[in-house]
Amino acid sequence: DAKTTQPNSMESNEEEPVHLPCNHSTISGTDYIHWYRQLPSQGPEYVIHGLTSNVNNRMASLAIAEDRKSSTLILHRATLRDAAVYYCILRDSGGANNLFFGTGTRLTVIP
Amino acid sequence: GAVVSQHPSRVICKSGTSVKIECRSLDFQATTMFWYRQFPKQSLMLMATSNEGSKATYEQGVEKDKFLINHASLTLSTLTVTSAHPEDSSFYICSAPISSTGELFFGEGSRLTVL
Repeated sequence: DAKTTQPNSMESNEEEPVHLPCNHSTISGTDYIHWYRQLPSQGPEYVIHGLTSNVNNRMASLAIAEDRKSSTLILHRATLRDAAVYYCILRDSGGANNLFFGTGTRLTVIP
Repeated sequence: GAVVSQHPSRVICKSGTSVKIECRSLDFQATTMFWYRQFPKQSLMLMATSNEGSKATYEQGVEKDKFLINHASLTLSTLTVTSAHPEDSSFYICSAPISSTGELFFGEGSRLTVL
């Protein structure tokens, strides 16, 4: 699986939007971009995923660069419950279902 | 939505004993489940892939005789840490994929402390 690079940590004020970047310059054409997050002392939870087009769901939006070498997870209005480690992961659509986690971005939400 | 449940959520044991952790898919069948380990302040590391009806596939560096995996049914996989030692203390997490979407559902995690 191709590698991703994320900032180690970010801070956001409560109720403001948060843009979490991810670089994946070696992404292949069949790699999906997945985002998961892990709250303290819990297993990770799925946030969103996409291939080429931007994606929206009830949790977040995913903006994918035209060349697909980077993407941004957007939380439209951060709450204290969004404080977590966010992982950006590439997964080959034809590959196994397991995910290899990088170090992720630890998001701190300031009240 | 689909849920993956782990039990126990916390376990403390003495050095040299064995501990079993269960992972269940509650409303879907999972022919494959994945076991991860996470040390404090670190990311998740894939340990092994559990396959229903066949042997598990272990990642490089993971001892298969120490971490016994059994996938006895389409909804249950177990991880047994044999002869546990303090260095095995960690957060163990299982996951299972939904075949239609490829999305992975994770259990709540099991925190093992070996004294």
